[in-house]
Amino acid sequence: GAGVSQSPSNKVTEKGKDVELRCDPISGHTALYWYRQSLGQGLEFLIYFQGNSAPDKSGLPSDRFSAERTGGSVSTLTIQRTQQEDSAVYLCASSLAQGGGNYGYTFGSGTRLTVV
Amino acid sequence: DAKTTQPPSMDCAEGRAANLPCNHSTISGNEYVYWYRQIHSQGPQYIIHGLKNNETNEMASLIITEDRKSSTLILPHATLRDTAVYYCIARWVTGKLIFGQGTTLQVKP
Repeated sequence: GAGVSQSPSNKVTEKGKDVELRCDPISGHTALYWYRQSLGQGLEFLIYFQGNSAPDKSGLPSDRFSAERTGGSVSTLTIQRTQQEDSAVYLCASSLAQGGGNYGYTFGSGTRLTVV
Repeated sequence: DAKTTQPPSMDCAEGRAANLPCNHSTISGNEYVYWYRQIHSQGPQYIIHGLKNNETNEMASLIITEDRKSSTLILPHATLRDTAVYYCIARWVTGKLIFGQGTTLQVKP
């Protein structure tokens, strides 16, 4: 597609439920990143996929968070047993080259997750 | 990745040049300086990046000092739509982006 697509755009869930957030990167982009941004805060790196390499999971805040990328394209971020502190905007980005190269990252519009 | 320091906020008059400074005194020889901006409730947008030489594109200019310890992003004719948080990031070209707190630029009419 023309840009990075994320779904859903908004998600309200009850505390303790599991949620899945989806990211469709730009076709042909080999690198995919997940970030989250809590209200009024900066962007927090979560996880990074590059081609067939093992993902960089160093930013995942707890073992309730996991992500996968199937077929080198679509990625799903899963949060198990959601807590209120998980409420944030979850942003996905993709890039043509590892780390962005001369093109930088292209970000999606994000999924706003609210845990009630 | 090298740490960067930016002022938390700046104002600029509409139509004037906005000059956003960034200090990166511990930058290594292979680390690039990247600039992104985030307009309220949108995902960050790539602006420009450079290693040693000054760079210019359709959005902005990037001036990097000779010792590479600081840089300035220049928006030549700021408009109200340029109001955003601007992030300066120093990183390896193959590394992940780590965002700091950035500078909130307010363009005023």
